Amino acid sequence: EVELVESGGGLIQPGGSLRLSCAASGFTVSSTYMSWVRQAPGKGLEWVSVLYASGSTYYTDSVKGRFTISRDNSKNTLYLQMNSLRAEDTAMYYCARGFMAFDFWGQGTLVTASS
Amino acid sequence: DIQMTQSPSTLSASVGDRVTITCRASQSIGNWLAWYQQKPGKAPELLIQRASNLESGVPSRFSGSGSGTEFTLTISSLQPDDFATYYCQQYTSYYVTFGQGTKVEIK
Repeated sequence: EVELVESGGGLIQPGGSLRLSCAASGFTVSSTYMSWVRQAPGKGLEWVSVLYASGSTYYTDSVKGRFTISRDNSKNTLYLQMNSLRAEDTAMYYCARGFMAFDFWGQGTLVTASS
Repeated sequence: DIQMTQSPSTLSASVGDRVTITCRASQSIGNWLAWYQQKPGKAPELLIQRASNLESGVPSRFSGSGSGTEFTLTISSLQPDDFATYYCQQYTSYYVTFGQGTKVEIK
């Protein structure tokens, strides 16, 4: 059974850093596309980043240069390193399997960037 | 960037109604279009991919159609479990965007 479990969210001051984790089970993270999608409170969905099986990475414009997606194959875990956080990064962050379409999602981890 | 526009933003309907949600892309996306259902406090769930391919386990009252720039999600007979927010999502090279969502409410 496929499962994705995110962790690492919390309250952080603007300008700070956080690393989100997404532990996967039931499939191999390194064999497929893995993405992060976020949802600001009361708002719609926004794609953030994707990591291809090949290792290629892509980001939405608003996080380029600040966020880094990566994986640890030995732990079957996806990460999102978030630096220079801004108030507008406040959102529930979901990891999801896929890119053309997202067929499995985690339960999300909440990031709040506020002083 | 490709923009996705859903209509309506909110839809009031009754159990048993036929419901149609439209998603328009700002340029052609072929059939790279997916639909999701999201309930409050929950992660989205994939309903349809490649515009019309129903995901395993999704009830057959859901269907999707369209190609190019105009797409529709239809619920043939609305059930109590279907009251939720629905999102479309497009994929093009190295980039994904979602529609703003359509909330289906009880009339």
